[in-house]
Amino acid sequence: GENVGLHLPTLSVQEGDNSIINCAYSNSASDYFIWYKQESGKGPQFIIDIRSNMDKRQGQRVTVLLNKTVKHLSLQIAATQPGDSAVYFCAETSSGGYQKVTFGTGTKLQVIP
Amino acid sequence: NAGVTQTPKFQVLKTGQSMTLQCAQDMNHNSMYWYRQDPGMGLRLIYYSASEGTTDKGEVPNGYNVSRLNKREFSLRLESAAPSQTSVYFCASRGGHSPLHFGNGTRLTVT
Repeated sequence: GENVGLHLPTLSVQEGDNSIINCAYSNSASDYFIWYKQESGKGPQFIIDIRSNMDKRQGQRVTVLLNKTVKHLSLQIAATQPGDSAVYFCAETSSGGYQKVTFGTGTKLQVIP
Repeated sequence: NAGVTQTPKFQVLKTGQSMTLQCAQDMNHNSMYWYRQDPGMGLRLIYYSASEGTTDKGEVPNGYNVSRLNKREFSLRLESAAPSQTSVYFCASRGGHSPLHFGNGTRLTVT
């Protein structure tokens, strides 16, 4: 489970720079990982996913990296824009048994114009 | 294509009152979920339904009940609301080994 507090970790990035958001997971059996973006007042929105047979996957301006050895996931956003300001969550799940999805502690990304 | 629709969007209850949060999805997904999100915290699973006709407890089920009415609809009921249940509630659905699709939430305040 998560160990969370009242205040989210915050990453402040200058517009145009690259952003890297990190996430650690705990379940060695997890084989499917997802990044979500949540804007104020809205539900989480899918960004990109990766399966455990890969270590990198790229989308439009986003890249997810998976390091199974240290159980670490990262989301890279290229040329960060003001519209990228949001809270970002990683999630993990395993294909064995029921598809329970566990969310990590979110990271708030603030883009400085 | 509406995706996941939650009603109501906002609700204020007094302690002890009951209410049902409604959720419907039009993506023909088998699995549906209820999460709660508290300020500064991640999403915590309340209940889930892996398929029509089945429901199971998540991490924080106490004080809640659910009904998977049919494949489209999954409701969450608070029988006797408590201030600790003040939260934002998200319904989600999923088809197979794929991302969750979320609704826009119900913001519940219990006074």
